[in-house]
Amino acid sequence: DTGVSQDPRHKITKRGQNVTFRCDPISEHNRLYWYRQTLGQGPEFLTYFQNEAQLEKSRLLSDRFSAERPKGSFSTLEIQRTEQGDSAMYLCASSLVVGATYEQYFGPGTRLTVT
Amino acid sequence: AQSVSQHNHHVILSEAASLELGCNYSYGGTVNLFWYVQYPGQHLQLLLKYFSGDPLVKGIKGFEAEFIKSKFSFNLRKPSVQWSDTAEYFCAVYYSGAGSYQLTFGKGTKLSVIP
Repeated sequence: DTGVSQDPRHKITKRGQNVTFRCDPISEHNRLYWYRQTLGQGPEFLTYFQNEAQLEKSRLLSDRFSAERPKGSFSTLEIQRTEQGDSAMYLCASSLVVGATYEQYFGPGTRLTVT
Repeated sequence: AQSVSQHNHHVILSEAASLELGCNYSYGGTVNLFWYVQYPGQHLQLLLKYFSGDPLVKGIKGFEAEFIKSKFSFNLRKPSVQWSDTAEYFCAVYYSGAGSYQLTFGKGTKLSVIP
């Protein structure tokens, strides 16, 4: 078990460009979550997947954001036409949900800077 | 909407001092509560969790938290802090049966321990 991994760890992009982040969850975890964290704030939920199905999206997830989890393994988060307000740490977490209780394990995050 | 309040933004303590960090959540039914810690340069790590049962839960590194349902609180405690406890601490909650599996986080409390 190597934990949740994310790639890249840092991304600097110019406003208007598209960016894509990848998350590899802990193997056999069936749920995968994306969060966003800005300075001075706790992580804020964006979306989550149960296996390959995207089951919930936050109102924070504008039309410029899209997430996928093909085959229920790794996930990608794409941001189109980036804006300076998208600058944040993007966190991925995974969990193994069997009953009603579970815990989420977080990756190191991808820090996005939009110039 | 679910919310979590952490009372202190920044706490500064000397080594060996006792620690208590406040956390209150908004009413929403059956809660599952967590404290996460983020050491400088590292990712979020689970410190402890409460699902049900004994309201006093023990976590790693000598931390404990007490769930007081009547006060909607889940305060984190440690009898004697060490310099290595310098980190940011986040309280988080999700509600069982709410149809949503997102964690709601507080804004975090930064703890600085002076040797």
